[in-house]
Amino acid sequence: QVQLQESGPGLVKPSQTLSLTCTVSGGSISSGSYYWSWIRQPAGKGLEWIGRIYTSGSTNYNPSLKSRVTISVDTSKNQFSLKLSSVTAADTAVYYCAREGWITMVRGVPWGWFDPWGQGTLVTVSS
Amino acid sequence: DIQMTQSPSSLSASVGDRVTITCQASQDISNYLNWYQQKPGKAPKLLIYDASNLETGVPSRFSGSGSGTDFTFTISSLQPEDIATYYCQQYDNLPTFGPGTKVDIK
Repeated sequence: QVQLQESGPGLVKPSQTLSLTCTVSGGSISSGSYYWSWIRQPAGKGLEWIGRIYTSGSTNYNPSLKSRVTISVDTSKNQFSLKLSSVTAADTAVYYCAREGWITMVRGVPWGWFDPWGQGTLVTVSS
Repeated sequence: DIQMTQSPSSLSASVGDRVTITCQASQDISNYLNWYQQKPGKAPKLLIYDASNLETGVPSRFSGSGSGTDFTFTISSLQPEDIATYYCQQYDNLPTFGPGTKVDIK
């Protein structure tokens, strides 16, 4: 079955750019009508959806982060990536990648549920 | 933004008890609601999608119901392995999660 694995630096300095990659195994990132998302969770807190990408390159972002986020996809490597610029301590969190499945168009846009998830990677923003 | 609330924020119950968690949306989200289980140090796991559909492989003691603004998640007979935090997530608009309900064994 499909598995996801996050990778990237665990420590990023304030004002720099956080960069993470999610590698998809057990299936092609291009097969099926799935979206590929990033979600984060500060320690001891809840979950925040960051954004998603379709293999066509179409993206949707959380408005609260939109000015700092870029999500891209590399279908040849079966990977998708997250870049978050101008980070501060508030961006310290476990970052998850996840596949989004859907069967419903909500006002013309497909949205759904996250399954499976990667194991998560802790990114700390500190000098 | 659609805000999600959950209650209670935590609960303790005995093995075999029926456990119920509620999730409320700040506006009508039809049945666009999912439930996840997160064990400590692990990624969330999808249990219920579209408010009431059990994900393949998930034990039948888990169930969900509701539509509109009010939703319920139930564990019919709590097991020791169900110790976790449970989150609801709406997708009527950009996805947002509830704050979570931590479930412990009494």
